[in-house]
Amino acid sequence: GAGVSQSPSNKVTEKGKDVELRCDPISGHTALYWYRQSLGQGLEFLIYFQGNSAPDKSGLPSDRFSAERTGGSVSTLTIQRTQQEDSAVYLCASSPMRLKGGEQYFGPGTRLTVT
Amino acid sequence: AQSVTQLGSHVSVSEGALVLLRCNYSSSVPPYLFWYVQYPNQGLQLLLKYTSAATLVKGINGFEAEFKKSETSFHLTKPSAHMSDAAEYFCAVSEPGNQGGKLIFGQGTELSVKP
Repeated sequence: GAGVSQSPSNKVTEKGKDVELRCDPISGHTALYWYRQSLGQGLEFLIYFQGNSAPDKSGLPSDRFSAERTGGSVSTLTIQRTQQEDSAVYLCASSPMRLKGGEQYFGPGTRLTVT
Repeated sequence: AQSVTQLGSHVSVSEGALVLLRCNYSSSVPPYLFWYVQYPNQGLQLLLKYTSAATLVKGINGFEAEFKKSETSFHLTKPSAHMSDAAEYFCAVSEPGNQGGKLIFGQGTELSVKP
């Protein structure tokens, strides 16, 4: 079956512009996660969705970052007024389970470069 | 707070040699533990997971890991390295009862395999 997909695969933007990153989870997976992977910080959790609700936003680094999920499916991560330190690979993952150690299935990521 | 330490950012082995990648965790309760592999320009793929069943866990591609509570360790091993094992490996932890099961990752270990 289809895995987690993310678009675009690469995004180059100028400092100060807004960007939107999209994630299509595996069909039927109720949990969705965003992570960021950067050279300096490694892999960091950003936000978790259960259905359309985001009970854990603790990893969002600033109020320039926001995310939403609609229809219990597609999620969009938005970064406003991008800064160079936002350059990273943004990974999305989905899971059919919560709390019970259910594994997360990762997409290929979106590589964001802020110039 | 949970944390994960992977000893050695780079490990190099010869083809056919034993692979040992070290992971130690810090958690207030026995956590769920995962090993993921990342090939260049790809997302993360689950190798194996521990969720309080058998302490010796077998995964894909001949890898296994042993949960040792007394040592707070979850080291990854493979008896005989193959060239295709060259990749980056991440150990991750989530805490049972943690809402959403977000993953906390180690810094990663890059494995290279020499012919």
